[in-house]
Amino acid sequence: QLQLQESGPGLVKPSETLSLTCTVSGGSISSSNYYWGWIRQPPGMGLEWIGSIYYSGSTYYNPSLKSRVTISVDTSKNQFSLKLISVTAADTAVYYCARRGSTIFGVVVRYWFDPWGQGTLVTVSS
Amino acid sequence: DIQMTQSPSSLSASVGDRVTITCRASQSISGYLNWYQQKPGKAPKLLIYAASSLQSGVPSRFSGGGSGTDFTLTISSLQPEDFATYYCQQSYSTPWTFGQGTKVEIK
Repeated sequence: QLQLQESGPGLVKPSETLSLTCTVSGGSISSSNYYWGWIRQPPGMGLEWIGSIYYSGSTYYNPSLKSRVTISVDTSKNQFSLKLISVTAADTAVYYCARRGSTIFGVVVRYWFDPWGQGTLVTVSS
Repeated sequence: DIQMTQSPSSLSASVGDRVTITCRASQSISGYLNWYQQKPGKAPKLLIYAASSLQSGVPSRFSGGGSGTDFTLTISSLQPEDFATYYCQQSYSTPWTFGQGTKVEIK
């Protein structure tokens, strides 16, 4: 059974860099049909997609965060990582990693996020 | 960006009730719509993908419908374990976006 687990510091100072890693177990991050993504949820609020990466290193990001985000992959460790620079209090959130899968319906491909990691709370505060 | 709007934002219902949650997209997204369930302190869980396909392991009392801009998630007979927050998400175009959530509470 595929499982994802986030890890990293729970407290980051304003203007510094948030760094998180997602470790994938029970399956290979190099599976050809899947992308791997980061999604965040500020306390008491909704969900925001941050970006996704393929095992080859191909990435795509939410334009609202693109200037500050880098997602990378380490296939040897079955991990992918998130870096968010110049953080402020507005970046305080639970950060989730998730697999982006796809299903083919005839000639149409539909995408979904499943499974998700348990999430890790990152607080930006001095 | 495609904006997703859910209604209602919250609802109170009793065990056994039929519950319907609506999600509206700011433009047509065909059937590129997923539904997730999130319980307090837990990660979201995929319930429905491609508007109406039930994810493996999800009880059949959950169903999804709609196409274009208007979608529904229906719980045919609400169970105690269904009290949670439900989110819709469009996968038509990036950036992928979510609705603001609908909290289903016990009456």
